[in-house]
Amino acid sequence: DTGVSQDPRHKITKRGQNVTFRCDPISEHNRLYWYRQTLGQGPEFLTYFQNEAQLEKSRLLSDRFSAERPKGSFSTLEIQRTEQGDSAMYLCASSSTSSGLAATSSYNEQFFGPGTRLTVL
Amino acid sequence: EDKVVQSPLSLVVHEGDTVTLNCSYEVTNFRSLLWYKQEKKAPTFLFMLTSSGIEKKSGRLSSILDKKELFSILNITATQTGDSAVYLCAVAFYSGAGSYQLTFGKGTKLSVIP
Repeated sequence: DTGVSQDPRHKITKRGQNVTFRCDPISEHNRLYWYRQTLGQGPEFLTYFQNEAQLEKSRLLSDRFSAERPKGSFSTLEIQRTEQGDSAMYLCASSSTSSGLAATSSYNEQFFGPGTRLTVL
Repeated sequence: EDKVVQSPLSLVVHEGDTVTLNCSYEVTNFRSLLWYKQEKKAPTFLFMLTSSGIEKKSGRLSSILDKKELFSILNITATQTGDSAVYLCAVAFYSGAGSYQLTFGKGTKLSVIP
């Protein structure tokens, strides 16, 4: 399977515990995004990487949240001291940049992984 | 504040009907508008629209963008029960420093009855 993969698919944890999710993007994609989705809402942007650089963080991303993409391939999203309000589906997406002079100004469609459903008890 | 508004929020139709889903947006530094289909899993990409007036088609689905009036429609003809899903509209915008974001609407939940 050459799509975006995420692990684990489901996570149940107790309030106050730390959790870490992993995302493996499509191999040739250099852009990686994390989103959070709650019931009845569209996905909300959390953060964005281009290669290993974290270029954008949403104000939704409190200091309990941290994301890394150390080698520009897979990414991890960690939530420390989880709260019940963190319960949601965490989605990862990746996209490529176009080649050529317009590369940095191009946008290509994002492909989503299956998500990690987090339940905080 | 950037926003994407979809209508209707839910829709129930019978198999064979034609439906039109609407998406309006107010976004700075617009790049593209995208449609996704979401069943009980992650969103699946349908279309990306960048230019006004050019219809994109895939089987029974088609979509068009109006950048002057800031809206897009997604049409589904001869609906089937397998079309039942939430259809998400998202707008890609340039947020600076080489970064792009997607802002999503809340989605339209389509239910197709046999």
